[in-house]
Amino acid sequence: EPEVTQTPSHQVTQMGQEVILRCVPISNHLYFYWYRQILGQKVEFLVSFYNNEISEKSEIFDDQFSVERPDGSNFTLKIRSTKLEDSAMYFCASRTAQETQYFGPGTRLLVL
Amino acid sequence: GQQLNQSPQSMFIQEGEDVSMNCTSSSIFNTWLWYKQEPGEGPVLLIALYKAGELTSNGRLTAQFGITRKDSFLNISASIPSDVGIYFCAGQKRKLTFGTGTRLTIIP
Repeated sequence: EPEVTQTPSHQVTQMGQEVILRCVPISNHLYFYWYRQILGQKVEFLVSFYNNEISEKSEIFDDQFSVERPDGSNFTLKIRSTKLEDSAMYFCASRTAQETQYFGPGTRLLVL
Repeated sequence: GQQLNQSPQSMFIQEGEDVSMNCTSSSIFNTWLWYKQEPGEGPVLLIALYKAGELTSNGRLTAQFGITRKDSFLNISASIPSDVGIYFCAGQKRKLTFGTGTRLTIIP
């Protein structure tokens, strides 16, 4: 069964460093998402992406964040200058024109 | 922003018991989804509900999309040890808004 994959599974970085989190959505999906989950809290929406542009973003998704679909398969989330409070699990999700989103296994980001 | 209130926050039950949890919202959603999350993993879709009033089953799981489109419940019948995890409801209008989760623990 096709699934969303994410790399790396874990990332440790120093505060102020840039990180890029990678996702490979399911191949025939058209809508892509990033969510984050701070330890012990609920999953929060960051950004949605369709037709090579951001379609919606939350207030969490500030100028430090950017997304890109550099080729036909990858979907990346970049955090330019990480802060301690960026430590969280980051989940990528994708869907077809139907409503159901499928999630990847997540990248655990730890900012020291 | 949109908020989903999910209850209960946690449940401790005996194996074999039935489980019920629900979500309510002040906003209307087009779709209600129920996910299960295990430690260190991403949410896994259990049931998707697309129409108000819809009642859908997936094995021992049954979920309903409330008539007002502002609530949903999930029932698990005859719980087993592998049901342990955190269950999240999510309402969808383009993006997903997640509930706060129900942590299910099964006592042997």
